[in-house]
Parts: sequence; structure tokens; C-alpha cells
Amino acid sequence: AQKITQTQPGMFVQEKEAVTLDCTYDTSDPSYGLFWYKQPSSGEMIFLIYQGSYDQQNATEGRYSLNFQKARKSANLVISASQLGDSAMYFCAMREGYNDYKLSFGAGTTVTVRA
Amino acid sequence: DADVTQTPRNRITKTGKRIMLECSQTKGHDRMYWYRQDPGLGLRLIYYSFDVKDINKGEISDGYSVSRQAQAKFSLSLESAIPNQTALYFCATSVGRVNQPQHFGDGTRLSIL
Repeated sequence: AQKITQTQPGMFVQEKEAVTLDCTYDTSDPSYGLFWYKQPSSGEMIFLIYQGSYDQQNATEGRYSLNFQKARKSANLVISASQLGDSAMYFCAMREGYNDYKLSFGAGTTVTVRA
Repeated sequence: DADVTQTPRNRITKTGKRIMLECSQTKGHDRMYWYRQDPGLGLRLIYYSFDVKDINKGEISDGYSVSRQAQAKFSLSLESAIPNQTALYFCATSVGRVNQPQHFGDGTRLSIL
């Protein structure tokens, strides 16, 4: 079974609007972490935000926030005030237990920001 | 300067050739990783290393080998390349704390004809 599911292959968003990228995960381990990465067309992988399973509050980093719903096993990324430079592929990844070396990645969501 | 440097950035080669992809880092991290990315599949772990003497197979190690020459250097070899190894390859590093991300290089686009 897939550990990370990203159901939206591609999305369009208008500049300055917010966009939500879906990520659901599957684990039986009570300790886990969720990461979001951005991959622009140039190819590099850029870390955006992290949420731990025991964190009391939803993570935020600038215009990025994570809508963490533990009971639903979802960790959606919200990008506020979209910019043209946000056009990229976005990956959700999960670390299970205390094995920081093993990340399971989703298939990614491509976001295109329109002017 | 990039903290995690991969060379080459692009490579086209023929089936059966031996290929080495190199990775060096200035982040001082002990842990290093090699991933491959295929369209629609996300990233998959090939090998990982906790230090120079500790190298481990990942999810898809068949057809690949690695060498950790120093704390800062981790190379990936394809002994006899085949077309289905055409992919984008990433090296990554981490400090080994669960709440810290892995840091990726810019990737190597490898095409095997």
C-alpha cells in the first residue's frame, strides 16, 4: 500500500490566491514526521516545512502552512498569496518512527500559478 | 556555493557502460543518501550511509553500488548501465535528527541509450 498519497497530479492557481495541496499518509507508528519539498523546473529539491506527529500546533513557515489533521491522516500544504515563482512540483514525504534516514515520498503535485 | 554538489549535472551514455555519479557536501553532515526520481513515482532510496564505514541498501539497490570515500563524499556507480536506469538522481545529506530535513543536491539527469 502507498504510504503517501497525493491525489492531485496538477493544479492551476491565480496569482495572489491561496492553494491547498493534499497529502494523506498511512502508518501505524505513533511517531512520524511529515515533510514538504518543492521542485522547480530546474530540478532541485527545496525543503519547505516539517510537521511532527506529536507537535501540538500546525507548522508554519512564511507563506507555507501545514493543515495537519491527525485523525484523518492528512497533512495538506497551504500556500498563501501565490506567486509566479511558486510554480513547481510539490512532494509530501513521511518519516516513520525514529528512522530519519527513511523517507517515503508521494508522487507529487504540479502547481502552475497564472498571472 | 551549493552545500551539496553533484557531478555531473547531465550525462548521456550507452547501455553497458560503467557510470559514476559523485556527490560532495560542505554541510558537515554524517548521513548521506542516493535517490532516483521517476515520473509519477516520487523519489526512491537507492543507498544510504551513516558514516564512512556504514553503508546500507535502500529500496531499489539492485544494479547500483556506492562508495563513501570520506565523510563529505559519496559516489554512486552503475556497473553496467541499462535504459531503465534513465532517471533523475539525487544525493542528499542529513544530521540524523528526526525533525530535521534531508538536504538535496541539484540532481543529475542520466539518460542511457
